[in-house]
Amino acid sequence: QKEVEQNSGPLSVPEGAIASLNCTYSDRGSQSFFWYRQYSGKSPELIMSIYSNGDQEDGRFTAQLNKASQYVSLLIRDSQPSDSATYLCAVGGYNKLIFGAGTRLAVHP
Amino acid sequence: GAGVSQSPRYKVAKRGQDVALRCDPISGHVSLFWYQQALGQGPEFLTYFQNEAQLDKSGLPSDRFFAERPEGSVSTLKIQRTQQEDSAVYLCASSLVAGRDTDTQYFGPGTRLTVL
Repeated sequence: QKEVEQNSGPLSVPEGAIASLNCTYSDRGSQSFFWYRQYSGKSPELIMSIYSNGDQEDGRFTAQLNKASQYVSLLIRDSQPSDSATYLCAVGGYNKLIFGAGTRLAVHP
Repeated sequence: GAGVSQSPRYKVAKRGQDVALRCDPISGHVSLFWYQQALGQGPEFLTYFQNEAQLDKSGLPSDRFFAERPEGSVSTLKIQRTQQEDSAVYLCASSLVAGRDTDTQYFGPGTRLTVL
């Protein structure tokens, strides 16, 4: 079992819809969780971080954390074609990040 | 201010050659990380520096991989006797503080290594 699991996609959503990206992790002691966006050929860019159970909102993005279920999600409201990218879930380990393989999101007009 | 920079951006090496990849972290950042990202995969941790001390090298795939950060700023990742399986994007990241898994890591643009 991989430490951080994501559905590879592609997840295809129409412009204006809500995109829902999911991630599960294996280390029950993990305390910090991150969502990075990576455009093709570019480096990962942090878009959200979350440390406590519940929801955290930033503009069109909402991160959700459920430590009991070892589950993290990212919701993107009013999806735009510019949101088309790979979204990487990362879990904070001791002096490192542990990444999932990423979910490719395609937002079509 | 300037972000993390890496050079070269692209490197083509013949199998068996040695390569050196450079990372300039954000000024003042204590922590520096190297990751390897294979095509279609997420980044995988290679090694971690706190200032000039290499505190974790558990992710280095073999003894052909060596990293240093002698003055606590610029870091170099060296790969000896490159193999085709070393082909990947090598990402460098830095963060402001040390020993805290909640700190944001800022990534450089990466070096794409192709071994022929």
